[in-house]
Amino acid sequence: SAVISQKPSRDICQRGTSLTIQCQVDSQVTMMFWYRQQPGQSLTLIATANQGSEATYESGFVIDKFPISRPNLTFSTLTVSNMSPEDSSIYLCSVEQTYLYGYTFGSGTRLTVV
Amino acid sequence: GENVEQHPSTLSVQEGDSAVIKCTYSDSASNYFPWYKQELGKRPQLIIDIRSNVGEKKDQRIAVTLNKTAKHFSLHITETQPEDSAVYFCAGLFGNEKLTFGTGTRLTIIP
Repeated sequence: SAVISQKPSRDICQRGTSLTIQCQVDSQVTMMFWYRQQPGQSLTLIATANQGSEATYESGFVIDKFPISRPNLTFSTLTVSNMSPEDSSIYLCSVEQTYLYGYTFGSGTRLTVV
Repeated sequence: GENVEQHPSTLSVQEGDSAVIKCTYSDSASNYFPWYKQELGKRPQLIIDIRSNVGEKKDQRIAVTLNKTAKHFSLHITETQPEDSAVYFCAGLFGNEKLTFGTGTRLTIIP
């Protein structure tokens, strides 16, 4: 299956600042997704990162807060902007692989906003 | 919209016994149902999946069953071992290439 490298693995940030999370895949994939997992909770889809066009955001998530880039078929970034303590969470990228391998997750970024 | 309900939220099982986790969904157009295992501090890992053209799939001690008429699917783990302790998530793919996840089940295997 595809190998997904996500960084940083963790960060502690001051409120009001922004953090950009990177997701690199070792093969070309059509679909890339960004999820948020709050402590002890399930995974919530933030947006679908589309190559060559704007990301598609889920209800409750907006581009100004979570801008996403997808410059090619192997890379995407998610920025968490103007952070507040409520943004403390794990952020995960995910890719859709082939019929055989399903959807795979990166190792996640544990963000703490102080 | 798509909705996946998962039960129970916590489950404790004696080592060697079986564990069953159930999920129901609302969108009949769904066609792909994966199960993920997430150990503490780690990423969710796909452990088994099932597609809507089959009713059951097995992989060693793990099996998944799907009832499309009733819109529910279940994960069965037999001969449980301590390393099965984790949080398990069901999910459904609802025609738009996006997974919707259940709320998770924390499974504890008691030695």
